[in-house]
Amino acid sequence: EAQVTQNPRYLITVTGKKLTVTCSQNMNHEYMSWYRQDPGLGLRQIYYSMNVEVTDKGDVPEGYKVSRKEKRNFPLILESPSPNQTSLYFCASSLFKPWTEQFFGPGTRLTVL
Amino acid sequence: GESVGLHLPTLSVQEGDNSIINCAYSNSASDYFIWYKQESGKGPQFIIDIRSNMDKRQGQRVTVLLNKTVKHLSLQIAATQPGDSAVYFCAETWGSGGGADGLTFGKGTHLIIQP
Repeated sequence: EAQVTQNPRYLITVTGKKLTVTCSQNMNHEYMSWYRQDPGLGLRQIYYSMNVEVTDKGDVPEGYKVSRKEKRNFPLILESPSPNQTSLYFCASSLFKPWTEQFFGPGTRLTVL
Repeated sequence: GESVGLHLPTLSVQEGDNSIINCAYSNSASDYFIWYKQESGKGPQFIIDIRSNMDKRQGQRVTVLLNKTVKHLSLQIAATQPGDSAVYFCAETWGSGGGADGLTFGKGTHLIIQP
């Protein structure tokens, strides 16, 4: 089954404790992206990747890191999480560019205390 | 990317009627515009896209209209069904150096279907 998976689905952590949210797709897509979704603010792009070893900042990259060592995986790293990073995070992938059909993962609900 | 906004946060329509969801964008250089649907508890789902050199595109029961003069985008859903209840987002691509690699979303419109 073609899909985007994220882990963990739910995470509660404390300020400053490094964490990684994994994202994997099995569709051989080149484009992958991370978004956060907050009430009243909609979806905002954090980082995106056009292909292996190619990443770029989205609208809200501060406080996040990403890597793209393999085509299928695109982890999101929070080196020192803060409470304002409490949010619902989505990973997505598409065949080439963001305007082609993007497939979204199920989301990761992160709470930083 | 520049902001993309929506005119109404909530839209209520009768089942069987047509729905029109509007979106205003500010970046006149955007190449592509996309509509997404997000049901409760799920990730967004692609509905339809339109390129900036087009003014209309039709899909199954949906039509997207683009008016570049006033920077306005709309999604029309024909014969609205209960399964259409969701939050609808418009999005635009952006990028520097001629690319269009980033994506900026609007804040969403909640479509409510009345029986």
